[in-house]
Amino acid sequence: QVQLQESGPGLVRPSGTLSLTCTVSGASISNSHWLSWVRQPPGKGLEWIGEIYHTGNTNYNPSLKSRVTLSVDNSKNQMSLILTSVTAADTAVYYCAKAGAYNLEVWGKGTAVTVSS
Amino acid sequence: EIVLTQSPDTLSLSPGDRATLSCRTSQSVSSNYLAWYQQKPGQVPRLVIYGTSNRATGIPDRFSGSGSGTDFTLTISRLEPEDFAVYYCQRYGSSPLYSFGQGTKVEI
Repeated sequence: QVQLQESGPGLVRPSGTLSLTCTVSGASISNSHWLSWVRQPPGKGLEWIGEIYHTGNTNYNPSLKSRVTLSVDNSKNQMSLILTSVTAADTAVYYCAKAGAYNLEVWGKGTAVTVSS
Repeated sequence: EIVLTQSPDTLSLSPGDRATLSCRTSQSVSSNYLAWYQQKPGQVPRLVIYGTSNRATGIPDRFSGSGSGTDFTLTISRLEPEDFAVYYCQRYGSSPLYSFGQGTKVEI
């Protein structure tokens, strides 16, 4: 069974760069469906950030596209998220998720990121 | 951009009650592209319904989904204590690829 685990710094300075990694276990990332990042600010709803395929093909949320870069490392079975020029509005729990048929069927446990000086 | 509006924001019910949650989209959505998630406090969202009416793995049959076009419904026939949670509808499409409703909280 596919499992996802997010990791990265829990605190990022304003105007800095947020960098997170999602490690996939239980399956090769090359055999997986698209992998997404979703975030959830404290007490708020879900926002899709973007997705990547093992080939490196990506799709991004237009609202974040100018600040987001996704990448994949097939040898490590990992994908990564980079979000630049962060502000307090980027404070959230960040989830990675594996796509099913037009949905997000498997989710990691999430990692909390706070943007603060 | 398609907007998903869920109603009500909060549903106050008792165990054993029937829960009916609504998700309306600003443009017509293919039935294949509509899903529902359950999120309990401090927990990860969990896929409940996909393709409008298909239960995800391990989801009990008291959960059902229906709808078409711009109106979709998640029904919980008889609420169990573990069903009290926030439920999000999600649509797959374009720009952005995945978008979510604001959520409906089902509370006791």
